[in-house]
Amino acid sequence: AQKITQTQPGMFVQEKEAVTLDCTYDTSDPSYGLFWYKQPSSGEMIFLIYQGSYDQQNATEGRYSLNFQKARKSANLVISASQLGDSAMYFCAMREHSGNQFYFGTGTSLTVIP
Amino acid sequence: DAGVIQSPRHEVTEMGQEVTLRCKPISGHDYLFWYRQTMMRGLELLIYFNNNVPIDDSGMPEDRFSAKMPNASFSTLKIQPSEPRDSAVYFCASSPRQGYHYGYTFGSGTRLTVV
Repeated sequence: AQKITQTQPGMFVQEKEAVTLDCTYDTSDPSYGLFWYKQPSSGEMIFLIYQGSYDQQNATEGRYSLNFQKARKSANLVISASQLGDSAMYFCAMREHSGNQFYFGTGTSLTVIP
Repeated sequence: DAGVIQSPRHEVTEMGQEVTLRCKPISGHDYLFWYRQTMMRGLELLIYFNNNVPIDDSGMPEDRFSAKMPNASFSTLKIQPSEPRDSAVYFCASSPRQGYHYGYTFGSGTRLTVV
């Protein structure tokens, strides 16, 4: 079974609008961390936001927030007030306490339309 | 901190040649990971080290691939002989220590093209 599932290969959003990128995960470890990374066309992987499995509140970092629904095992990334520079690939990832490696989703390509 | 440093940024080589990719992790990070990214397969973990010791190399495609970490500040990924299907972006990443709340810091990647 896939550890991380991103079902949206591509998404479009109008500039200044909000957009939600979906991510579901699968783990039996009660302790885990969820991460989102941005990969612009230049290729580097940029850390955006982190949510721990025991965190009671949704994580926020500037225009990024993580909609964490533990019972549904989902960790959707919300980008508010989209900007042209937000056009990129976005990867959801998970790290379990019992392991060391990250599990990555297949990514969502976001295009912001002027 | 300068972050994770990879070299070269781009490498074009002929089939059959040896290729060596280099990585300098963030000082103090105990874990180092090598990933390969392709359109078809996404991000694949090749190998990771803990305190310079290889822990899991089950993702290394075949014997043509080898990785070393002779000290805490340097790692190499070598492909010998290279083949066109090895063309990909290779990322190195480091992490401070074990624990689910520690993320990766990625290098800028090496774009390898084998012709």
